[in-house]
Amino acid sequence: SQQGEEDPQALSIQEGENATMNCSYKTSINNLQWYRQNSGRGLVHLILIRSNEREKHSGRLRVTLDTSKKSSSLLITASRAADTASYFCATDPLGQGAQKLVFGQGTRLTINP
Amino acid sequence: NAGVMQNPRHLVRRRGQEARLRCSPMKGHSHVYWYRQLPEEGLKFMVYLQKENIIDESGMPKERFSAEFPKEGPSILRIQQVVRGDSAAYFCASSPNPGTGAGEQYFGPGTRLTVT
Repeated sequence: SQQGEEDPQALSIQEGENATMNCSYKTSINNLQWYRQNSGRGLVHLILIRSNEREKHSGRLRVTLDTSKKSSSLLITASRAADTASYFCATDPLGQGAQKLVFGQGTRLTINP
Repeated sequence: NAGVMQNPRHLVRRRGQEARLRCSPMKGHSHVYWYRQLPEEGLKFMVYLQKENIIDESGMPKERFSAEFPKEGPSILRIQQVVRGDSAAYFCASSPNPGTGAGEQYFGPGTRLTVT
């Protein structure tokens, strides 16, 4: 079963606005990662947050992690048309042994010019 | 430094044929992962390999699917006797020694398999 569930499934905003996407997961994790996928392309790693971290920034990206609620959020500030893509959270479940990521179903973000 | 290479980018096979998907990891990476993505869905883990070893194949269907990562050459994901349900995008990712837990993985552009 899917570990991560993203919310919302689709989001459409105006350029310049902030976009917030949420991810919930079921089991304890080593870390949580966010990836971006442009239509028909591979995934690009955005940011990794470890289970002992609560917040992380990278440029216009801000990620939070609440392990007590098993949830994370990705905030993109001052959105641009080029941010249009699907965004996936991926968890590294604790105790799984192997180095595999478990992906959610993604949020499709559309930035309108 | 070239990224993860996958070929072919698009592959069309008739039902019952074999599909071979290739993946060359980033230079210096010895860990390879294969994922499958159905339309409008996230990626699902299939198999994790190191050179000449399958470490975790818990996401691989028990029949018709196999993977290898030989000492020389690319990693190969092989699907025998393809069926329409195998139509999907197959992504390969690589990483350096991930240490404890799964770190950042670098993804290839994917192979889109269509079974007619």
